[in-house]
Amino acid sequence: DSGVTQTPKHLITATGQRVTLRCSPRSGDLSVYWYQQSLDQGLQFLIQYYNGEERAKGNILERFSAQQFPDLHSELNLSSLELGDSALYFCASSEATAGANVLTFGAGSRLTVL
Amino acid sequence: AQKVTQAQTEISVVEKEDVTLDCVYETRDTTYYLFWYKQPPSGELVFLIRRNSFDEQNEISGRYSWNFQKSTSSFNFTITASQVVDSAVYFCALSRPTGTASKLTFGTGTRLQVTL
Repeated sequence: DSGVTQTPKHLITATGQRVTLRCSPRSGDLSVYWYQQSLDQGLQFLIQYYNGEERAKGNILERFSAQQFPDLHSELNLSSLELGDSALYFCASSEATAGANVLTFGAGSRLTVL
Repeated sequence: AQKVTQAQTEISVVEKEDVTLDCVYETRDTTYYLFWYKQPPSGELVFLIRRNSFDEQNEISGRYSWNFQKSTSSFNFTITASQVVDSAVYFCALSRPTGTASKLTFGTGTRLQVTL
């Protein structure tokens, strides 16, 4: 158990729908990151939050949004879902924001869009 | 822009063989960090090692060793006497030292299959 908790583990939904993925970081970690892993794109960085504030944005679609709450948990919202959004979504956390920080990953949320 | 290349898509070895996973990176930064992560069949990403760009000493941890060569921009990973439990996808990653944000740029991964 890495200490990073992601729910749900699996999610099956239809095109056009909206889903929310939840992440609780490891105790003491202030930074949360979201990554998408798909067969064609590999592991892609989506977005990072530090202590409630957005710190970095990667290849995140406009249909996707995220936030980090005061208790440091984070949610990734995916809307108007398309078949291509099917992927494994990872949340990771770290103590701070520097590049030296080791990211601890959760087990992932597998999204299937039918 | 940063880039990590893992040219070996898949490697198959027989148990007890040694295997080296290659990683080549590109960056314009003079300070940076390199990582290896393991993704076993269960799917989670497990941290293996972090190395900063100023530390070119090779590192050994049990059956695992890492060879960092700045001159060739490579950070290769060797498993000695491989075991079936080593079967996984291994990712090399690179991050920048910026203080306000950090994100890992991953390679495409190398799938290692160890058979009896």
